[in-house]
Amino acid sequence: NAGVMQNPRHLVRRRGQEARLRCSPMKGHSHVYWYRQLPEEGLKFMVYLQKENIIDESGMPKERFSAEFPKEGPSILRIQQVVRGDSAAYFCASSEDRSGNTIYFGEGSWLTVV
Amino acid sequence: KQEVTQIPAALSVPEGENLVLNCSFTDSAIYNLQWFRQDPGKGLTSLLLIQSSQREQTSGRLNASLDKSSGRSTLYIAASQPGDSATYLCAVRTGAGSYQLTFGKGTKLSVIP
Repeated sequence: NAGVMQNPRHLVRRRGQEARLRCSPMKGHSHVYWYRQLPEEGLKFMVYLQKENIIDESGMPKERFSAEFPKEGPSILRIQQVVRGDSAAYFCASSEDRSGNTIYFGEGSWLTVV
Repeated sequence: KQEVTQIPAALSVPEGENLVLNCSFTDSAIYNLQWFRQDPGKGLTSLLLIQSSQREQTSGRLNASLDKSSGRSTLYIAASQPGDSATYLCAVRTGAGSYQLTFGKGTKLSVIP
């Protein structure tokens, strides 16, 4: 049973470009969470999604950031018009149910904006 | 707003020592608390989960305690090994209806052979 798969693992974008980060949850998991880890900071919650629904996006920046979890395929975190401050590690996690008691994290996607 | 603090930020110990990592949180009305391990360039691995009604959890050489009233948790590692070197993160979930984990910045542990 493969774990939470994130790709790309490393991504370099120039300022103003778009970044797309993908996350495939563990098999059988329909609950996905995205967290961001800025340099020297703790992980911060961004968004919680179930299939085709955004449940809680209270941690998402109001502009340029969006997330989806379609019926088929991976969850995608999209960052438009990236700026240097978006450089961070983005972690995806999944759980089997909404209790989130057993949560599995992916290995992260490291975004560098130059 | 929940805030989680971990002390110390870094710790270096010789192999074989027992050690304690500390975590404190400002809002004692938590649903549960988890300790994670993060290796450089890797994701997080859950080590122990303590529900709000529990006082401690044990797994092998690890023991985590929770004192909700004082807003504190400790992670005790017995007989440390070089392979224990990693960053240890404490995270709390505030409320059954909340899906968010609030993380501390972590304690970076180095176990010297």
